[in-house]
Amino acid sequence: NAGVTQTPKFRILKIGQSMTLQCTQDMNHNYMYWYRQDPGMGLKLIYYSVGAGITDKGEVPNGYNVSRSTTEDFPLRLELAAPSQTSVYFCASSSASGGKNIQYFGAGTRLSVL
Amino acid sequence: QQQVKQSPQSLIVQKGGISIINCAYENTAFDYFPWYQQFPGKGPALLIAIRPDVSEKKEGRFTISFNKSAKQFSLHIMDSQPGDSATYFCAASIVGGYQKVTFGTGTKLQVIP
Repeated sequence: NAGVTQTPKFRILKIGQSMTLQCTQDMNHNYMYWYRQDPGMGLKLIYYSVGAGITDKGEVPNGYNVSRSTTEDFPLRLELAAPSQTSVYFCASSSASGGKNIQYFGAGTRLSVL
Repeated sequence: QQQVKQSPQSLIVQKGGISIINCAYENTAFDYFPWYQQFPGKGPALLIAIRPDVSEKKEGRFTISFNKSAKQFSLHIMDSQPGDSATYFCAASIVGGYQKVTFGTGTKLQVIP
């Protein structure tokens, strides 16, 4: 079982460059999420999706975009990278079954913007 | 209203001791309270969770205590081991709907031999 897979694991960007962080899950979960994790700040929700074709903003969406064309994939796009976007990014998925909300996380993408 | 406050930020415990991490929430609509464990270089993973209709849940050395009236819950790690050294996040969510989760800021636990 692969679970949630994120690529790349590490990336260094120059200011103003763009990139896409890839996320795919093989658990047939409807819900998918992108978080960023900064030291001492916990996990902040960037964007989320409740199913293919449906996305919405989280707490910190500025500078990011997402799309959800399939159940499996939920890429995060960074346009015009800024040093403030240096962070660790986690993708997660969940289902609404069984009266629980268990989030399954990928291993993360460590991004530095210099 | 959506905040979950977690303390302490860091914790050092001797091997065999009890580790205690506390969280408080504001939104009374929350109905699912998980704890996640994160090792360096890895994503968080569910450790244990509780619903507000029970006051305590125990799984092995890990126990959640839940106080609905005070809107507080805590994680107790009994007989703490060096392998428990990790960052712990409490969280709160509303099951169903958008399934969004609000996370605490995390506690870095170090268990020393």
